[in-house]
Amino acid sequence: GAVVSQHPSRVICKSGTSVKIECRSLDFQATTMFWYRQFPKQSLMLMATSNEGSKATYEQGVEKDKFLINHASLTLSTLTVTSAHPEDSSFYICSAPRIGTQYFGPGTRLLVL
Amino acid sequence: AQKITQTQPGMFVQEKEAVTLDCTYDTSDPSYGLFWYKQPSSGEMIFLIYQGSYDQQNATEGRYSLNFQKARKSANLVISASQLGDSAMYFCAMREGRDDKIIFGKGTRLHILP
Repeated sequence: GAVVSQHPSRVICKSGTSVKIECRSLDFQATTMFWYRQFPKQSLMLMATSNEGSKATYEQGVEKDKFLINHASLTLSTLTVTSAHPEDSSFYICSAPRIGTQYFGPGTRLLVL
Repeated sequence: AQKITQTQPGMFVQEKEAVTLDCTYDTSDPSYGLFWYKQPSSGEMIFLIYQGSYDQQNATEGRYSLNFQKARKSANLVISASQLGDSAMYFCAMREGRDDKIIFGKGTRLHILP
């Protein structure tokens, strides 16, 4: 069964609104989680590392003020896309490390109109 | 420079044949790990196989095996007896040192023909 969940699976929003995506590790604790973005027909691009109890670490070129990450507990990380625009439309997917591998959530498809 | 290179954007293979998906990597860290993931059209990332840099033997998981050639920095995925359900995107990925984050290659789209 799934070990990492994401919610919502799909979201459509108007330009200028903010969208929150949740990532949960279901039966294990994750002090670190990762957020990726995937555009159609492209690979997964790492956006940031979510750290429980401290600030997220963002990859080069990712705007920290636009993509707010909060690691609220050992099983929950949230990604908030603030003031979303059509170019933010993408597939967002989180992962959590466990026993030497990475387990991925099912992903969230964001469409900004 | 790309750390993970997958040179085959797409492949067509007849059902029941074996298929090899290429992956080369670049790192100066002696400790690293290599992963292969499958991504069907649903978008979920399915973990297939893992190879650690210090592992002496090539990893195998059912029909999947990893042809690890350390000197050549190559980690090809071999799928034996391919099935129609194997049609998907396949990504090679790497973890370096003690860092848990992994980075991905561009992927190979595999089409299994009936």
